Amino acid sequence: GENVEQHPSTLSVQEGDSAVIKCTYSDSASNYFPWYKQELGKRPQLIIDIRSNVGEKKDQRIAVTLNKTAKHFSLHITETQPEDSAVYFCAATVGGGADGLTFGKGTHLIIQP
Amino acid sequence: DAGVIQSPRHEVTEMGQEVTLRCKPISGHDYLFWYRQTMMRGLELLIYFNNNVPIDDSGMPEDRFSAKMPNASFSTLKIQPSEPRDSAVYFCASSLTESTDTQYFGPGTRLTVL
Repeated sequence: GENVEQHPSTLSVQEGDSAVIKCTYSDSASNYFPWYKQELGKRPQLIIDIRSNVGEKKDQRIAVTLNKTAKHFSLHITETQPEDSAVYFCAATVGGGADGLTFGKGTHLIIQP
Repeated sequence: DAGVIQSPRHEVTEMGQEVTLRCKPISGHDYLFWYRQTMMRGLELLIYFNNNVPIDDSGMPEDRFSAKMPNASFSTLKIQPSEPRDSAVYFCASSLTESTDTQYFGPGTRLTVL
């Protein structure tokens, strides 16, 4: 089955700086890669996703890049703000909404004022 | 739409008791997923359904766990008998069809087994 590795487990950045979280996956058949943000005590919420036919996707301060050859994908957050502090999870799946997600272990992002 | 609804939000029970968690997916969604979250193991897929039919239950930890979806608007996850190691947050999620990707999570049920 799919295995997703996520690094780092904790990331502390100064407010206004950029943050990058990296994930690798094992199943070359995986074709959908969502990122979820989870605040303390809350549910995971989708913030951005990418399909394997696209190399990069942006949504305001958030971007995701995908390298299919190397089987890794990354989340980039620019101009970080205090409200970006949360745990971020990457995930991978073969079937998109029609298949279960395999999640990374999560990155605790801390924005220092 | 109210989103995915789960009940109860918190459950505290004694070891050996039966526990039933409930989920109502977003109306019209064909897929329903049950996930479990713990500090040690992170977020894990337990089982998922398509049009009320279980598709993949390979993530169900053992025979003490069972899940049903008697109709399109209701699913249950049952643990019998419960054990302290079952303590976790259990999330239900739903998605529209195989041609759309987003899985929407419910608020979760925090289960504590004493």
